[in-house]
Amino acid sequence: EVQLVESGGGLVQPGGSLRLSCAASGFTFSDDRMHWVRQVPGKGLQWVSLIDHDGGGTKYAYSVQGRFTVSRDNANKMLYLQMNSLSAEDTAVYYCVRGGFSGDWGQGTLVTVSS
Amino acid sequence: EIVMTQSPATLSVSPGERATLSCRASQSVSSKLVWFQQKPGQAPRLLIYGASTRATATPARFSGSGSGTEFTLTIDSLQSEDFAVYYCQHYNNWPYTFGQGTKLEIK
Repeated sequence: EVQLVESGGGLVQPGGSLRLSCAASGFTFSDDRMHWVRQVPGKGLQWVSLIDHDGGGTKYAYSVQGRFTVSRDNANKMLYLQMNSLSAEDTAVYYCVRGGFSGDWGQGTLVTVSS
Repeated sequence: EIVMTQSPATLSVSPGERATLSCRASQSVSSKLVWFQQKPGQAPRLLIYGASTRATATPARFSGSGSGTEFTLTIDSLQSEDFAVYYCQHYNNWPYTFGQGTKLEIK
């Protein structure tokens, strides 16, 4: 059974940093591109970032470019999102998503940016 | 950035009837479009990819069509569990973008 379990969310002050993690299991993690998608509670979805299977290529939404960094540890089946210079507009549930068309999403972790 | 526009914002349909949801791209995305279903408190669920290919476990009453800039998700014989929010999303180039969603509600 495929599992994607996010962690690391919480309350952070504007201008602060947070690192999200996603623990993957049940599939060959190193074969798949991985994504981060976020959703403001009660609102729509936004693609945040992707990383190629070997970490060699990354992409970011314009709104997070230069502030967020995606990375992965294939040996330990972990995906990360380092988020810096956070603002209230980054408040959202952050989902870890397996690439391809498997339809595998984590349950999400809530990030709240507020003073 | 490609803008995805879904219509209508809310669709009221009776159980057993057909629902037709639309998604328009601001420029061609070929057939690189997916549809998701989302229920309250849950992560999105992939329904359709490649504009018309049903994902694993997607019931046959769901069908997708279209290419280029105009896409449709059709749900035949609506069941109670189908009432949810539906999102389209392209993956033709980066950044991938979502539509704003269509809420399918019981009439």
